[in-house]
Amino acid sequence: QQPVQSPQAVILREGEDAVINCSSSKALYSVHWYRQKHGEAPVFLMILLKGGEQKGHEKISASFNEKKQQSSLYLTASQLSYSGTYFCGTVLDSNYQLIWGAGTKLIIKP
Amino acid sequence: DAGITQSPRHKVTETGTPVTLRCHQTENHRYMYWYRQDPGHGLRLIHYSYGVKDTDKGEVSDGYSVSRSKTEDFLLTLESATSSQTSVYFCAISERGLAVAVRYEQYFGPGTRLTVT
Repeated sequence: QQPVQSPQAVILREGEDAVINCSSSKALYSVHWYRQKHGEAPVFLMILLKGGEQKGHEKISASFNEKKQQSSLYLTASQLSYSGTYFCGTVLDSNYQLIWGAGTKLIIKP
Repeated sequence: DAGITQSPRHKVTETGTPVTLRCHQTENHRYMYWYRQDPGHGLRLIHYSYGVKDTDKGEVSDGYSVSRSKTEDFLLTLESATSSQTSVYFCAISERGLAVAVRYEQYFGPGTRLTVT
């Protein structure tokens, strides 16, 4: 039931854009996005709920395709501070359990 | 930042010994969680609590027990530590929501790095 994140890792230059994907094989109620810097705790970025409601960071955008059980996180004009590992957490429509993906490591170079 | 502390922050222990990790919050949030984080697995829920003395199992609860006698404290106990329990343990809290906070963000503590030799 673990969602699949892609890519596993990506290296960008400062100012470039990145897209991180999260997909599930089961119907989803919501998708959660967090960022974790090395040696630190995960930090909340965004929640996307079935039906279109969103809660989260103003400078980060994401989409949630309910039919495809997929979510994408868009990081535009990346900054050095965006570096870290991004985790998606998916909540199944059937049991409301939050299951986390394995993470996508994002490295931003100057 | 949410007021969440974990203790100890680092611990090395021997196989077979009991270990207790503590999570303390000052936010008065109802929901508290214990996760373990291992490379390639992301975060996996061990146990969670939805109120004082109200707890339930997560996906990897075998070998772990929890207790919550006060709103602010959530204890995780490894009754007899094994090498497979070497991991980084995170506590998290959330204000409202269903048992695993499907609509509300979680705030994480700084983590405890546990090594079982």
